[in-house]
Amino acid sequence: SAVISQKPSRDICQRGTSLTIQCQVDSQVTMMFWYRQQPGQSLTLIATANQGSEATYESGFVIDKFPISRPNLTFSTLTVSNMSPEDSSIYLCSVVEGLRTYNEQFFGPGTRLTVL
Amino acid sequence: DAKTTQPNSMESNEEEPVHLPCNHSTISGTDYIHWYRQLPSQGPEYVIHGLTSNVNNRMASLAIAEDRKSSTLILHRATLRDAAVYYCILSRATSYDKVIFGPGTSLSVIP
Repeated sequence: SAVISQKPSRDICQRGTSLTIQCQVDSQVTMMFWYRQQPGQSLTLIATANQGSEATYESGFVIDKFPISRPNLTFSTLTVSNMSPEDSSIYLCSVVEGLRTYNEQFFGPGTRLTVL
Repeated sequence: DAKTTQPNSMESNEEEPVHLPCNHSTISGTDYIHWYRQLPSQGPEYVIHGLTSNVNNRMASLAIAEDRKSSTLILHRATLRDAAVYYCILSRATSYDKVIFGPGTSLSVIP
């Protein structure tokens, strides 16, 4: 199974600043996703990170606020831009390894972001 | 996307079996039924999946109703480590589909 690491594991930021979260996978994967989990809530999908092209965003999420890069098959970044306290959440990276008939998703440990 | 309905919370005694229900009355013929769980302060982890037949693995069993409109995740002997939020999710089997999480069931295990 894929092993996923995220950096930073947690951060405290001032409003109006930006934070870039890194997701590194120990193997090449076909699909990468970014989720947000607000306090006490379930996970919400932000976007699918596409290798070599723009990310595909879910309703309610826009590229200007959450720019995503995926330069290769093992790495992606999510930037939370112009942060406000409402952006305080855990941000999780998730991957799918292959293109078999069924592919489970693997999740990283998350980045806990607090915006003051 | 077809939706699932789960109880908000359940309790179980340690070392007893746990049956976690999920209703998915609008399931389509090409939807897989997945279960993931999220332990405290961790990312979700895959538990089990099925399409039509009951499934067993080392973590759990999945019982799927004959009409596929409901399913039950069975933990055969609950341990304290099984205390988590359990998510029942549907996604298409025809191509890889993203995992969309509902609220899930928060399982408490009583020693």
